[in-house]
Amino acid sequence: SAVISQKPSRDICQRGTSLTIQCQVDSQVTMMFWYRQQPGQSLTLIATANQGSEATYESGFVIDKFPISRPNLTFSTLTVSNMSPEDSSIYLCSVRLDETQYFGPGTRLLVL
Amino acid sequence: AQSVSQHNHHVILSEAASLELGCNYSYGGTVNLFWYVQYPGQHLQLLLKYFSGDPLVKGIKGFEAEFIKSKFSFNLRKPSVQWSDTAEYFCAVNPLKGGFKTIFGAGTRLFVKA
Repeated sequence: SAVISQKPSRDICQRGTSLTIQCQVDSQVTMMFWYRQQPGQSLTLIATANQGSEATYESGFVIDKFPISRPNLTFSTLTVSNMSPEDSSIYLCSVRLDETQYFGPGTRLLVL
Repeated sequence: AQSVSQHNHHVILSEAASLELGCNYSYGGTVNLFWYVQYPGQHLQLLLKYFSGDPLVKGIKGFEAEFIKSKFSFNLRKPSVQWSDTAEYFCAVNPLKGGFKTIFGAGTRLFVKA
């Protein structure tokens, strides 16, 4: 398995600002993913971030709103840009190891 | 489009009752199947997984799941639940063709009464 940490664990932000979420993994992984879990709902994949290539975004998510960095095999960041209350959610980092996905503890974001 | 359906959104049981949570997926090819659990205030944890072989797989904490290919189902079971099993359970499917995306069901909230 993989041990995944995220920073910050939670934040309250004003609309129009941006927040960068960091994800650190304890082992080198090729595939990292960012998910969103809105209150009372399931997980929605935002994008796949592979080291050395541009992130691949799912339908409904765009790079301008959710820019992602993947500078090495153990780290990634997701920025939530120009936030609105609709962005209030839990953002989860995930890695794929041995055909199984493992998840970080999540970043709970509230936008006022 | 590929999808995962979990039949029950909320389940309430008394301790020692048996549990079965339904999961069906829509994908005709080969898949890997997972159940994840999210305890209150905690992050998602892998409960069990099926890749191939014996369709009855056993996971942590006494949980098991059965893959029935003809029914596109992967139901989760536990013979006797405990209060500590109160959590949200997510079924997930990873089609082996078409990328590495794992598709999650909507989740089932289980509440076990002491």
